[in-house]
Amino acid sequence: EDKVVQSPLSLVVHEGDTVTLNCSYEVTNFRSLLWYKQEKKAPTFLFMLTSSGIEKKSGRLSSILDKKELSSILNITATQTGDSAIYLCAPNTGNQFYFGTGTSLTVIP
Amino acid sequence: KAGVTQTPRYLIKTRGQQVTLSCSPISGHRSVSWYQQTPGQGLQFLFEYFSETQRNKGNFPGRFSGRQFSNSRSEMNVSTLELGDSALYLCASSYRLNTEAFFGQGTRLTVV
Repeated sequence: EDKVVQSPLSLVVHEGDTVTLNCSYEVTNFRSLLWYKQEKKAPTFLFMLTSSGIEKKSGRLSSILDKKELSSILNITATQTGDSAIYLCAPNTGNQFYFGTGTSLTVIP
Repeated sequence: KAGVTQTPRYLIKTRGQQVTLSCSPISGHRSVSWYQQTPGQGLQFLFEYFSETQRNKGNFPGRFSGRQFSNSRSEMNVSTLELGDSALYLCASSYRLNTEAFFGQGTRLTVV
């Protein structure tokens, strides 16, 4: 059975801290992995990863995929209160995206 | 460029009724996917449409159905509503299959 596990489930940090969010997956016919940020309703797209070991970066956010370990991490440096959200990862099998239940990040001023 | 538009935003229905939700994708996007989001289960895949054809279906009962029109707009129908169908229903559009998808604001369905 396809499975996606995100850790930690929740995280509370202070502004300026660096956080690392983890996503482990067991899916058949893996093709890619997406990261989303969900603040209120609509998840917003962050990254799409297809190749192992190649870091994708956008401002203070970066992400990398490890196909050997069946995992991905999302790093956020110098966190801000606006980073408070649920972060979702979603591996794709060619048939569908399997979403994890997410990591809830709260950044305290 | 307009984003993904879902209507209605909120809906209250009674058990046993049926409901139709609508999703207008980003212009030029031909793929529309639907998800159910509940606090305990996260985002669960319902189905995906591409060029008016259902390409993939998640593990939901037959009461959940959908369709896509020639202009790529999609509708989702749930018949014989149950209390457990209360959820946020999200649709997402993408230019092609298996690529990054952009979500609408969702329809919050409450079944009483």
